[in-house]
Amino acid sequence: DADVTQTPRNRITKTGKRIMLECSQTKGHDRMYWYRQDPGLGLRLIYYSFDVKDINKGEISDGYSVSRQAQAKFSLSLESAIPNQTALYFCATSDSVAGRTDTQYFGPGTRLTVL
Amino acid sequence: QKEVEQNSGPLSVPEGAIASLNCTYSDRGSQSFFWYRQYSGKSPELIMSIYSNGDKEDGRFTAQLNKASQYVSLLIRDSQPSDSATYLCAVNNPRAGYALNFGKGTSLLVTP
Repeated sequence: DADVTQTPRNRITKTGKRIMLECSQTKGHDRMYWYRQDPGLGLRLIYYSFDVKDINKGEISDGYSVSRQAQAKFSLSLESAIPNQTALYFCATSDSVAGRTDTQYFGPGTRLTVL
Repeated sequence: QKEVEQNSGPLSVPEGAIASLNCTYSDRGSQSFFWYRQYSGKSPELIMSIYSNGDKEDGRFTAQLNKASQYVSLLIRDSQPSDSATYLCAVNNPRAGYALNFGKGTSLLVTP
């Protein structure tokens, strides 16, 4: 089984709908991240969480919210989806190595299309 | 200035040649550097991590770090068609704890 899973893998929705993307991990990592990837723009950080009680905004958090339900689960919500949120969304996790940024491990991605 | 810069390519090399991928970063406080490989529509997968100045070798891959010049590179020896992918350079963001800033990636094409 994959260490980092994302559901759904593909989603098509309409403008104005509320959407939740879910991420689960079995790696036992404390740190979790949400990124979006757009052609020509690379990976951009939406939100990150270093433990269940520590959630931080990333580069492009407007229009998104997150919930860290447990160490293993980190969900991303689009409260009212808009077409420019059409993108490939990745969840990632990393270990807690004191004083150092450790390797991030990525889920398979969710392809979201907002019509 | 973008925090992590890469040439978008495509970089085309013949099979068996050395591919050289380059990356510059803007924040002198960055201490952790990564190269990821991403096939189209797939998730990024780690190729190399490097934390100290100098070279780090792993099989056909060598990462090079020069903090004074704020430069990271990845060399791929004996390039294979299966190496054709986009290579992402990632650097930790000192202002965001342990989060990473990614470059836009360099597309590599290895031709048989």
